[in-house]
Amino acid sequence: ETGVTQSPTHLIKTRGQQVTLRCSSQSGHNTVSWYQQALGQGPQFIFQYYREEENGRGNFPPRFSGLQFPNYSSELNVNALELDDSALYLCASTPGGGRASYNEQFFGPGTRLTVL
Amino acid sequence: AQRVTQPEKLLSVFKGAPVELKCNYSYSGSPELFWYVQYSRQRLQLLLRHISRESIKGFTADLNKGETSFHLKKPFAQEEDSAMYYCALTRTGNQFYFGTGTSLTVIP
Repeated sequence: ETGVTQSPTHLIKTRGQQVTLRCSSQSGHNTVSWYQQALGQGPQFIFQYYREEENGRGNFPPRFSGLQFPNYSSELNVNALELDDSALYLCASTPGGGRASYNEQFFGPGTRLTVL
Repeated sequence: AQRVTQPEKLLSVFKGAPVELKCNYSYSGSPELFWYVQYSRQRLQLLLRHISRESIKGFTADLNKGETSFHLKKPFAQEEDSAMYYCALTRTGNQFYFGTGTSLTVIP
């Protein structure tokens, strides 16, 4: 078991651009959640995908979107980047069903996005 | 609104002393609560969750619904406990809320 991986590790973009971040979940984990972690803050929930459909969403605008694929990989897309989007983006995979309240989330190492 | 508050950003204790990391939440229902930990240069990982009633690495956490708290405790702190600790909450399992974290330093 290799664990959750994310790519790229670091990324620099300019305001107004679009970005795609990638996550590879652990095999068999049907649920993936994405988080934004600004410096000095806790992770903020962006959304969750279960079996390739959005299953829950936090307080983020529609320019934050995602995809989940059958091979346990997923993407976070952010359009029209703003300076405040600069943060560490974490994905976390969970074994089991959509409402996995009681299941452990396995986090990736994160992608550090800087928007200039 | 569902919020998780960790009032202490930084906490230092001496090795062998008791440690308590505070977590308060605002939610009127019956949420599920967790503690996650991030050791230096490692990724965020689950420490314990309320439903399991486990004691992990000597840590325990009691849910106090009256005070809406889920404080993390350990009777004797060890140097390897130095880390960033996050309290987290979910109601449905498809939306999670994390606190801002407490950085614990155990002084040898």
